Amino acid sequence: NAGVTQTPKFQVLKTGQSMTLQCAQDMNHEYMSWYRQDPGMGLRLIHYSVGAGITDQGEVPNGYNVSRSTTEDFPLRLLSAAPSQTSVYFCASSQTLYTEAFFGQGTRLTVV
Amino acid sequence: GESVGLHLPTLSVQEGDNSIINCAYSNSASDYFIWYKQESGKGPQFIIDIRSNMDKRQGQRVTVLLNKTVKHLSLQIAATQPGDSAVYFCAETSTGRRALTFGSGTRLQVQP
Repeated sequence: NAGVTQTPKFQVLKTGQSMTLQCAQDMNHEYMSWYRQDPGMGLRLIHYSVGAGITDQGEVPNGYNVSRSTTEDFPLRLLSAAPSQTSVYFCASSQTLYTEAFFGQGTRLTVV
Repeated sequence: GESVGLHLPTLSVQEGDNSIINCAYSNSASDYFIWYKQESGKGPQFIIDIRSNMDKRQGQRVTVLLNKTVKHLSLQIAATQPGDSAVYFCAETSTGRRALTFGSGTRLQVQP
């Protein structure tokens, strides 16, 4: 059982480049979310989805897009990378908001 | 506004002692609370959760206490071990909201 798989684990981008962070889960969970974690800080919600075809903004959505075409996948797209987006990104999934969330291992992104 | 915070950024304990990590929240409507453990370089891992209709819940070596009167949540770890060294986050949500709010985290250091 793979759980939540994030790729890539590490990425360096130049300012202005775009890229997609991949997230896949094999637990048939309806709820998926993306967080960013900056040094010494907690997790801040970027976007979330309560099911295929449904997405919504979290606390810090600017500069990011998401889509949820299938239950399994929830990619996060950076439109035009900025140094302020240097962070560690975590994807999570759970059956509902009121049940245990499983997190991926994270993607460490550096924008130069 | 809503917020979830922690009283102590770093907690240092001796191996074998009991640890208590505290968390305050401001939303009186919060009805679901979770504790996560994050080891260095890894994603957060679910420890235990509690709903607002409970005051206490126990797991293996961990106990979560909820005091709704003062909006305070605590995580107690019995017989703390070196493997318990990590950052611990509390998170909360409430009916009608569609996302968790995380606190900024407490680092637990276990001294041998």
